[in-house]
This record gives sequence, C-alpha cells and structure tokens, in this order.
Amino acid sequence: AQSVAQPEDQVNVAEGNPLTVKCTYSVSGNPYLFWYVQYPNRGLQFLLKYITGDNLVKGSYGFEAEFNKSQTSFHLKKPSALVSDSALYFCAVRVLESGGSYIPTFGRGTSLIVHP
Amino acid sequence: GAVVSQHPSRVICKSGTSVKIECRSLDFQATTMFWYRQFPKQSLMLMATSNEGSKATYEQGVEKDKFLINHASLTLSTLTVTSAHPEDSSFYICSARYEGRSTEAFFGQGTRLTVV
Repeated sequence: AQSVAQPEDQVNVAEGNPLTVKCTYSVSGNPYLFWYVQYPNRGLQFLLKYITGDNLVKGSYGFEAEFNKSQTSFHLKKPSALVSDSALYFCAVRVLESGGSYIPTFGRGTSLIVHP
Repeated sequence: GAVVSQHPSRVICKSGTSVKIECRSLDFQATTMFWYRQFPKQSLMLMATSNEGSKATYEQGVEKDKFLINHASLTLSTLTVTSAHPEDSSFYICSARYEGRSTEAFFGQGTRLTVV
C-alpha cells in the first residue's frame, strides 16, 4: 500500500519570502516521489521528481524538494515566492521496485497563496 | 516533448445525454492512459487505467457502464460519460505514460463537465 499526506490545506506566504509545502509518504519499498502544480481549471504540470541519488532535487520554476528518508518526507521549497506561484500543489508517490504499482497515489493537494 | 492534449476543455450538457472526452498523446505513444476525476478542493481520484487494445481496468466504485473508456490506439483514449446526471459534474483529467519514460505521468489540461 502507498499513501501520501499533505497536512496543510492552504499555505500563505508573502512575495519574496521562502515557501515550504509539506508532504509525507508511506510505501512498502523505495519510493518514486513527485510534485505537480495545478492552475485553475487546468491539468497537472510536472514540477520535479525524486528517484535515487542526491536528496535535494531541483525542478521547474525555481522549485526544489528535499527527500528525507528517516522522516519519510518530501517537502517542496522555493527560496523566494512569486505571486504567480499561487496554485494548487500535489505530492505523489509510487513504489520504485519492479512489480510495484506504477500508478501514483496523490495527496489531497495544498493551495499556495502568495500575497503581493 | 511528452504533451498530452485533452478535448474539450469545457462542456455543458443536458441531463440524460452522453458526453465524450478525448485524450491524445501528441508526441509519444502512450502504452497506458489513466482517467482521474477531481472534486473541488480534493485530490485526484483514479477512475480507470487503460492499456491500448485491451479493456480498461476500473477502480472500485466506478461504474464501468456509465464511464466508458476506449483506448483504441497508442495515441488516443476516450472517456464517455453516458446518461449524464448533475452529480457527474466534475473536472476530469487524463494522463499518459510510455515505456521509455515510465517514472512519471503526463497530464492533459482537464475537462470541466457541467450537467444541467
């Protein structure tokens, strides 16, 4: 079984400040981890992923995420938020090993609001 | 690369009619396509998984006779909502994967269905 928790329904941050969107996961095995962003009435856009290697992953639009195996977390971060970053963010996980489900499980989503 | 196009982006239909939503992979051959349904402020709910040339696999609780999925080619999958009712109003999103890039899925823009 695999699951994802995004504990915050909404994150508010002022433009120019750093932002963090939290994600924790649970899988039986090694995880593939993903972050997607969704703008209103649009599909999901891929931001970044972690498979193996460096725990700090850099992605699109200046976002990065840090894989922490001991805490089973994959928090999304950005050093300086922009108003245009305001959107809905989804964390997703699936099992890495072959034979595991290739269907990702998504968190509930976190609404990021960046204030001018 | 890896573009998924979903059509239409919005559709309004009368109760009792059927609506077809198309999902196309524009620059790759999608061995597997997924259909999701998204409720307001909620995560994506996987409805079904379809492999080209075979019957779709529906998730528990999803009515296969109501949500008809066809994956007749490696670049096209369709979701038909039959005898639509107002409670079927939702945001439907497709995604696709292919063997060469199996770690991540690529998403369409989504379709906002409103049944009146």
